[in-house]
Amino acid sequence: DGGITQSPKYLFRKEGQNVTLSCEQNLNHDAMYWYRQDPGQGLRLIYYSQIVNDFQKGDIAEGYSVSREKKESFPLTVTSAQKNPTAFYLCASSAYPKTSGAAGEQFFGPGTRLTVL
Amino acid sequence: EDQVTQSPEALRLQEGESSSLNCSYTVSGLRGLFWYRQDPGKGPEFLFTLYSAGEEKEKERLKATLTKKESFLHITAPKPEDSATYLCAVIDYGQNFVFGPGTRLSVLP
Repeated sequence: DGGITQSPKYLFRKEGQNVTLSCEQNLNHDAMYWYRQDPGQGLRLIYYSQIVNDFQKGDIAEGYSVSREKKESFPLTVTSAQKNPTAFYLCASSAYPKTSGAAGEQFFGPGTRLTVL
Repeated sequence: EDQVTQSPEALRLQEGESSSLNCSYTVSGLRGLFWYRQDPGKGPEFLFTLYSAGEEKEKERLKATLTKKESFLHITAPKPEDSATYLCAVIDYGQNFVFGPGTRLSVLP
């Protein structure tokens, strides 16, 4: 089955720790994205990557870092610099419109809920 | 700057009571408009892509329509299992992807 997986489903972090959220896709999509969702709020873009070894900051990148060493993987690190990291984190991927002809619809993983203790 | 608004913020329907959700957008060159369904604690599930004004897509009790300024998600004879948050999003030709805040739908038995 093609899809996007995120792990872990739940993650607890102590203050001052860095934690890494995993995102893997087997849809052969070029582009991948990380969003943050707070209770009752919309999706806010953290980082995105349209090609391996390249990524761009979204609207709320401060306190987060990413890497894109493989097409299938786009891990997100929540650093100790992120002062309010408790949230639901969603990873998504899409076919790159310029190369695929698709509209660019994003497909989402199941999410990781991060809680700071 | 591209913008997406959705109304109402929340909607409560009785089972079988049809209604519509609105998505209004301002975008510099619409490449596509998308509708998603999100259940609590889960990732959004893709429903539809609409490309141009006048286009319609249907799936079970849902029908999405598009004009030059807005999209509607019509829900016909909803059931309790249709309860979810419905998200609208747009993408422009510069690859900018913008989500709306969503409409929380509750369908009561």
